[in-house]
Amino acid sequence: ETGVTQSPTHLIKTRGQQVTLRCSSQSGHNTVSWYQQALGQGPQFIFQYYREEENGRGNFPPRFSGLQFPNYSSELNVNALELDDSALYLCASSRGQGADSPLHFGNGTRLTVT
Amino acid sequence: GDSVTQMEGPVTLSEEAFLTINCTYTATGYPSLFWYVQYPGEGLQLLLKATKADDKGSNKGFEATYRKETTSFHLEKGSVQVSDSAVYFCALIFSGGYNKLIFGAGTRLAVHP
Repeated sequence: ETGVTQSPTHLIKTRGQQVTLRCSSQSGHNTVSWYQQALGQGPQFIFQYYREEENGRGNFPPRFSGLQFPNYSSELNVNALELDDSALYLCASSRGQGADSPLHFGNGTRLTVT
Repeated sequence: GDSVTQMEGPVTLSEEAFLTINCTYTATGYPSLFWYVQYPGEGLQLLLKATKADDKGSNKGFEATYRKETTSFHLEKGSVQVSDSAVYFCALIFSGGYNKLIFGAGTRLAVHP
């Protein structure tokens, strides 16, 4: 069983640029959620995609957007990058939603904004 | 709002010592509670969970009991190993909703031989 894979593993961008992060969900999983983990902090929920629709969002501005594809893989897009966007971005997939559907996390993409 | 508070780290222990990492939560409803572990350079792995009051989650020698009266979910292990060195996150989620886990800030554990 292939786990959750994320690409790239590391990325350096300049303030004001745009970035796209990618995630392949675990086989059989139809739900993908994204989290931002700042250094020394716990992950914070960005949003979730279920059946290609965003159906839950945390306290993040609209310049954070995403997509889910028919094969359940997903992208996280961030426009107009700010220095505070520097963080580890984690993707997690699951078979469904809520407490009965354990999340399986990828190893993350480390984004540095200079 | 809903939140999770963990004891600050780092926690430094000798091998075979007893481990406790405190976790308390504030929630408007009745969440499910989790402990996740993050090894260096890796993503998060589910360690254990409990879905209702008085449930005990356990895995790999770790245990935690859902205490509704004290809103706590403390992580314990009777004898830690060097390989347990990692960052531990306590988290909650509400049933029936989407996958919005609310995490604590994490507690780093360092175990020395």
